[in-house]
Amino acid sequence: QVQLVESGGGLVKPGGSLRLSCAASGFTFSDYYMSWIRQAPGKGLEWVSYISSSGSTIYYADSVKGRFTISRDNAKNSLYLQMNSLRAEDTAVYYCARDIRVAYYFDYWGQGTLVTVSS
Amino acid sequence: QSALTQPRSVSGSPGQSVTISCTGTSSDVGGYNYVSWYQQHPGKAPKLMIYDVSKRPSGVPDRFSGSKSGNTASLTISGLQAEDEADYYCCSYAGSYPNYVFGTGTKVTVL
Repeated sequence: QVQLVESGGGLVKPGGSLRLSCAASGFTFSDYYMSWIRQAPGKGLEWVSYISSSGSTIYYADSVKGRFTISRDNAKNSLYLQMNSLRAEDTAVYYCARDIRVAYYFDYWGQGTLVTVSS
Repeated sequence: QSALTQPRSVSGSPGQSVTISCTGTSSDVGGYNYVSWYQQHPGKAPKLMIYDVSKRPSGVPDRFSGSKSGNTASLTISGLQAEDEADYYCCSYAGSYPNYVFGTGTKVTVL
C-alpha cells in the first residue's frame, strides 16, 4: 500500500536551516509529481511547493520562494525540502503528498513532521 | 492569492445532512473543474474525500458528495455519522501559479 513517511522536523532558531525528507513506498515514485503542504498550529492548509516526476519542473508558493528548495531522488524513492532562512511564521506541520497532476489533487498524504522556529 | 472562503463551522444531528460551501473566484473554483475536498481528524493527516468536484475515491462512503456552481463549490454529507466529526478543507487548482489554493477550513460537529 502507498506509504509516505516524513522526517527531519524539529526546533530551529530564526534564520536557521532544516532539511525535511519524505520516504515513499508502495508505488512507482518516479511516475508521480509530489508536493509539500504545511499547516501552522491551529490553522488551515497551505500548499508550499511541487516537483514534477522527473524533477525538471518546480514551483513554490510566494511565502517560501527563494528560501526553500524542493528536490527528489527517484533512485531512493525520496522527496526533500531544504528550508533556509527560517522564520517564526514557517512553524508548521509539513506534509508530503502525492500530487495527481492530471486532475490536481492529493491522493495520499504522509503523517507530517513538525517544524518549530523559535529562539 | 487569498484562501477560499468556507464557513467556520457547521453542525447536525446523526442522520441529518450538512453542506459546506467553498467560495473562490473565476481564477480558481470558477475557472476549473478541479476542486477537491479533504477530511482531517485531530492530529491526523488530511484524507482525500472528493476530487474533480464530485468524484469519490474508492473507499469513501457515497454519503459524501460534491458539486459546484459558478465560483462556489459544496460538499454535502448525508446521513451524518459520529465519525464524520472532523475538519474539512476544499482545494482548487488556480492555474500555473499559484497552482493550488486551499479553503479556510470548516469544523463539522455531530450533535
